[in-house]
Amino acid sequence: DAGVTQSPTHLIKTRGQQVTLRCSPKSGHDTVSWYQQALGQGPQFIFQYYEEEERQRGNFPDRFSGHQFPNYSSELNVNALLLGDSALYLCASRGYWGGAAGNEQFFGPGTRLTVL
Amino acid sequence: AQTVTQSQPEMSVQEAETVTLSCTYDTSESDYYLFWYKQPPSRQMILVIRQEAYKQQNATENRFSVNFQKAAKSFSLKISDSQLGDAAMYFCAYRREAYSGAGSYQLTFGKGTKLSVIP
Repeated sequence: DAGVTQSPTHLIKTRGQQVTLRCSPKSGHDTVSWYQQALGQGPQFIFQYYEEEERQRGNFPDRFSGHQFPNYSSELNVNALLLGDSALYLCASRGYWGGAAGNEQFFGPGTRLTVL
Repeated sequence: AQTVTQSQPEMSVQEAETVTLSCTYDTSESDYYLFWYKQPPSRQMILVIRQEAYKQQNATENRFSVNFQKAAKSFSLKISDSQLGDAAMYFCAYRREAYSGAGSYQLTFGKGTKLSVIP
C-alpha cells in the first residue's frame, strides 16, 4: 500500500513564475491538507480539501490556490512566486473512520521549492 | 488562535540515556489532540505519539511517552534508551476536535527541537 506521494521532489523557479505541486493521498484517504515549511521552522497550514472543495484555509494570500480531483489527489498552485515562497511543501492525507484511529494524518516526503 | 511553543531549539542525549522535550500550547478549546512528530533528514514527517485531551492517562508507545498536564497546557515527550536513529527534528502539534468528515484537521506546529544522539 503506497503512502502519500508528492511530485516533483525538487523544483527551482524564478520570481514571478507560477508553480504546480502534486499530491496523491494514501489509499482510502479522502482529505488532503497542504503545509508550507520554511527552513528552520515548523510546518504552517495552507489549506485543506475534502470532497473537491477547499474547507479550511490558513493565513496565506490568494496567490496560493488548490484543487482536488475526484480520485482525491490534489494540486497546490502558487502564482507570482516570491523569494519568500522558497520552502518545503508538505501534503498530508487522512481517511475518515471515526475514533482515535481515524485522526492520524499521514505526510508525504514533500516538494522542495527554491525561488531564485 | 491556538499556539504551540517549543522552547528548546536543540537538545542532545547520550545513546541509551533518557531525554525530555518540552512543549506548551495555548487554546480555549476543551476537546483537542496533541501530537509529537519526528522529521529526520529525509524530511518525511512521522507520527511518534498521540494524546487525546479527554484522556487523563499519558500515552506511551514503546520507548516514547508523554507527560500531559492539561491544566498547565504542557505536553512533554520522554524518549527512553535513546538510539542513534532517534536523531531528528521533533515537532509538537495541536489539532482541535473535528466532529464531521468535513471538519478541519488543521495541525498547528511548534518550531521544533533538533535532537542529537551522541554515541
